Amino acid sequence: GQQLNQSPQSMFIQEGEDVSMNCTSSSIFNTWLWYKQDPGEGPVLLIALYKAGELTSNGRLTAQFGITRKDSFLNISASIPSDVGIYFCAGPLNNNDMRFGAGTRLTVKP
Amino acid sequence: DAGITQSPRHKVTETGTPVTLRCHQTENHRYMYWYRQDPGHGLRLIHYSYGVKDTDKGEVSDGYSVSRSKTEDFLLTLESATSSQTSVYFCAISESTRGTRYGYTFGSGTRLTVV
Repeated sequence: GQQLNQSPQSMFIQEGEDVSMNCTSSSIFNTWLWYKQDPGEGPVLLIALYKAGELTSNGRLTAQFGITRKDSFLNISASIPSDVGIYFCAGPLNNNDMRFGAGTRLTVKP
Repeated sequence: DAGITQSPRHKVTETGTPVTLRCHQTENHRYMYWYRQDPGHGLRLIHYSYGVKDTDKGEVSDGYSVSRSKTEDFLLTLESATSSQTSVYFCAISESTRGTRYGYTFGSGTRLTVV
């Protein structure tokens, strides 16, 4: 089936550092979504992207829709301890089938 | 709170027993989804519903069935649980098919262990 490949799988960073992660696909997507999952909770939408080349920010988070439409990037600036969690990229295969990457697990050391 | 509740939150069951997980929403959303989350796989769609009594299969539907007799409730049943169905199960809701564009709202999950 359609796969979204996320990297890195995990990151261990110091508080205050910037973070970059990405998601790639073999197919073109018209929408890219980024979710965050806190421990013991369900994923929560962070950012949605709809156009190739689009750059969207949400506080310290910035995401970009790759110009090939086969990738997307998420950056977190000046990380803080509450950034800990799993970050998922997602894209719609069709109107009722949202595909998710395997996630990037972020650990922030104070 | 987005008005979506999953029950139970945790369950341990034996191989071969039937198990039913419940998703209840107070948002009156038409679309409801069941996903499972496993390490290295992210979230994978099991089944979804686009209205009362209207359901369809997702990517990993084998061994699962669903029912939706009311707008607010979407049940996931494991007919005969196997160890490979040990997972965290998430329910999600969406007002319309535009949920794939604007995102779903997820419940807090049910952690199921099959021993």
